[in-house]
Amino acid sequence: GESVGLHLPTLSVQEGDNSIINCAYSNSASDYFIWYKQESGKGPQFIIDIRSNMDKRQGQRVTVLLNKTVKHLSLQIAATQPGDSAVYFCAGGDNNDMRFGAGTRLTVKP
Amino acid sequence: NAGVTQTPKFRVLKTGQSMTLLCAQDMNHEYMYWYRQDPGMGLRLIHYSVGEGTTAKGEVPDGYNVSRLKKQNFLLGLESAAPSQTSVYFCASSYSGLPQHFGDGTRLSIL
Repeated sequence: GESVGLHLPTLSVQEGDNSIINCAYSNSASDYFIWYKQESGKGPQFIIDIRSNMDKRQGQRVTVLLNKTVKHLSLQIAATQPGDSAVYFCAGGDNNDMRFGAGTRLTVKP
Repeated sequence: NAGVTQTPKFRVLKTGQSMTLLCAQDMNHEYMYWYRQDPGMGLRLIHYSVGEGTTAKGEVPDGYNVSRLKKQNFLLGLESAAPSQTSVYFCASSYSGLPQHFGDGTRLSIL
């Protein structure tokens, strides 16, 4: 099965700066990767996904990059806002078999 | 549109007691999932369902049972609660097989 892990448990950025949150995975056969945001006391919120046949995918203020050579996934948040403060975690795997990382806590300083 | 609703939000049990956690979704999704979230660890899949009347084991199924008698509901049961089952439990649903919509969790403490 897949195992995923995030590189840093915490990340602090200045409001307006770009944030980059990283994730590593182990199973090169994983077909899907997902990024989630989790605010305190709430359930995870789906942000963006990327399929293994893609290198990059963009959403609103977010970009996910997938480097299959080094089994690395990153989430870039442009112009980080206070409302972006949360725990972010990645997941990788296939239908009904996704494995989740523990999360990076992003703090946005005003 | 409520999305995914979990009840109860909090519960304290004694070792050996039983209880059922309820998950309801109003999006007509086929796929539903139960996860547990423990400090310092990622979500772990307990059981899942690919449609009404079907269930399957996930990564950590021992000590739990599930039922999906109606498409909109997915029940998680603990027959004999143990302290190791103290956790936050999340239900999720999706149309695609990838967990997309999560409830806000049930915080369960077992003494």
